[in-house]
Amino acid sequence: EPEVTQTPSHQVTQMGQEVILRCVPISNHLYFYWYRQILGQKVEFLVSFYNNEISEKSEIFDDQFSVERPDGSNFTLKIRSTKLEDSAMYFCASRGQTEGNSPLHFGNGTRLTVT
Amino acid sequence: SQKIEQNSEALNIQEGKTATLTCNYTNYSPAYLQWYRQDPGRGPVFLLLIRENEKEKRKERLKVTFDTTLKQSLFHITASQPADSATYLCAPDSGGYNKLIFGAGTRLAVHP
Repeated sequence: EPEVTQTPSHQVTQMGQEVILRCVPISNHLYFYWYRQILGQKVEFLVSFYNNEISEKSEIFDDQFSVERPDGSNFTLKIRSTKLEDSAMYFCASRGQTEGNSPLHFGNGTRLTVT
Repeated sequence: SQKIEQNSEALNIQEGKTATLTCNYTNYSPAYLQWYRQDPGRGPVFLLLIRENEKEKRKERLKVTFDTTLKQSLFHITASQPADSATYLCAPDSGGYNKLIFGAGTRLAVHP
């Protein structure tokens, strides 16, 4: 079964550095999402993306964050200047077009540690 | 404001029993409700989707009910097994390809 893949699985970075988290969504999916989960807390929505533009973003997704679909397969989340509180699991998800509604397919995440 | 409430306490049950998890929502009018399973350190995995005009949906040992009057969904696992131990998340879904907002989840532990 096709799956969403995320790289790297772990990323350690110093405060103030830029990081790029990468995702390869399922190939025929058109709707893409980033979520994050701080340790012990709930899965939180960051941003949704369709047709090469942001559809919706949460309050968490401030000017330090950006997303891009640089080619036909990758979907990236960039954090421009990381803060300690950005430490979390970041999940990419995609959704296809089916009749009715469709579930989200999640990757297994990138664990980001900011020191 | 919109709120999704799931049992915050972990649910501990004996193997073979039925686990029942609750999802209550306020200030939503979802057309669907989705349930996911999340294992530690992994991404959520879709389990079941129920539509607003369906009272009940089944898949193998799983059963979901959806009461739009009570604004509640119940998720049942019958004949539970230790392998069912995980956190279960619910997400009211307004339809289309809008974001899903998840509840905090209920951690289920099935003991042999």
